[in-house]
Amino acid sequence: DAGITQSPRHKVTETGTPVTLRCHQTENHRYMYWYRQDPGHGLRLIHYSYGVKDTDKGEVSDGYSVSRSKTEDFLLTLESATSSQTSVYFCAIGRQLPSTDTQYFGPGTRLTVL
Amino acid sequence: DQQVKQNSPSLSVQEGRISILNCDYTNSMFDYFLWYKKYPAEGPTFLISISSIKDKNEDGRFTVFLNKSAKHLSLHIVPSQPGDSAVYFCAAANNAGNMLTFGGGTRLMVKP
Repeated sequence: DAGITQSPRHKVTETGTPVTLRCHQTENHRYMYWYRQDPGHGLRLIHYSYGVKDTDKGEVSDGYSVSRSKTEDFLLTLESATSSQTSVYFCAIGRQLPSTDTQYFGPGTRLTVL
Repeated sequence: DQQVKQNSPSLSVQEGRISILNCDYTNSMFDYFLWYKKYPAEGPTFLISISSIKDKNEDGRFTVFLNKSAKHLSLHIVPSQPGDSAVYFCAAANNAGNMLTFGGGTRLMVKP
């Protein structure tokens, strides 16, 4: 299994508070991704990174920001959490472009915004 | 607009029989397709993939078929086992694209 950890694994927070989720990899993979999973929607890409300090938006980026200051860490921040951001968040990593290599997923973070 | 669709939210199959999971896509630029399997409380795990230059790829009990003209792919599991019970996601990527687009998932239940 690819070495990917996510922290925290579970979090309950209040509307309007900032939240940061962390993804840590030990595989030295170039690409890192943040997805959210919601019933009926599958996995939707929030943001991704193609190198240190190189990030770009995905399909559902509004309300989220990311940072990658080291190869191994990719942070997802909800500046002011809303109830619509209640979801399960998955981090993924990949060595190359998705069209040429597999993405490996972390165990997920369940976030509840009250 | 969902570019990758899995129209069956769930599928129930008897152990030992074939499971067929379907996926349709609309973006003709997609040229690489994957299937992921997900158990509850775990992250998705890669199952099998296929490039658009092929129409079939096999790995043990799992076979993926691609019909480019119909923009349709399917995953066949033969024989199905109770441990195959999970949610299956299909995903697609285009050449040089930086992201995967996922379908909504199909929950497979294999009954003993």
